[in-house]
Amino acid sequence: DAKTTQPTSMDCAEGRAANLPCNHSTISGNEYVYWYRQIHSQGPQYIIHGLKNNETNEMASLIITEDRKSSTLILPHATLRDTAVYYCIVRVGAGGTSYGKLTFGQGTILTVHP
Amino acid sequence: SQTIHQWPATLVQPVGSPLSLECTVEGTSNPNLYWYRQAAGRGLQLLFYSVGIGQISSEVPQNLSASRPQDRQFILSSKKLLLSDSGFYLCAWKGYREKLFFGSGTQLSVL
Repeated sequence: DAKTTQPTSMDCAEGRAANLPCNHSTISGNEYVYWYRQIHSQGPQYIIHGLKNNETNEMASLIITEDRKSSTLILPHATLRDTAVYYCIVRVGAGGTSYGKLTFGQGTILTVHP
Repeated sequence: SQTIHQWPATLVQPVGSPLSLECTVEGTSNPNLYWYRQAAGRGLQLLFYSVGIGQISSEVPQNLSASRPQDRQFILSSKKLLLSDSGFYLCAWKGYREKLFFGSGTQLSVL
């Protein structure tokens, strides 16, 4: 799976958009970008994923650059409960020999403050 | 709907004692199952995964073992715990579109 690079930490004011960047310059054509987050003392939670088109769901939006070498997770209106570690993971989709395994990096610690 | 159960939530064990952590999944059949560990201040490390009953793959050599006696049951074990086995243990299953769904975790402290 391609390696990802994320900032160690970021701050965001409550109610503002949180934009979390991720670089994945070695991504392959069949690899997806997945985002998870982990609130303290809980298991990681799936947020969103995409291949090349921008994606949006009830939690967030995912913007993937045209060359797919980077992406941005957007939390449109951050709340205090969005304070967590956010992981950007690049991996192949269904099939292959990865058996669904995910390799987590260090992620970005997002702190939302009042 | 699918749910994942993991217990206990916290566990304090002396060095050299055995360990058994259990994870069960409901609402799905033949899921891929995973054990992850997170040491204090560190990232998540994949320990084991299983694609079916009796099929276990180990990702890193260690003092732990895993078993899958039933389709929706995944067990993490150790015969003798080490201090370095302390950490936050998470079980997960793979759902639709390769998403992983995690349990609530077990915080293990080996003293």
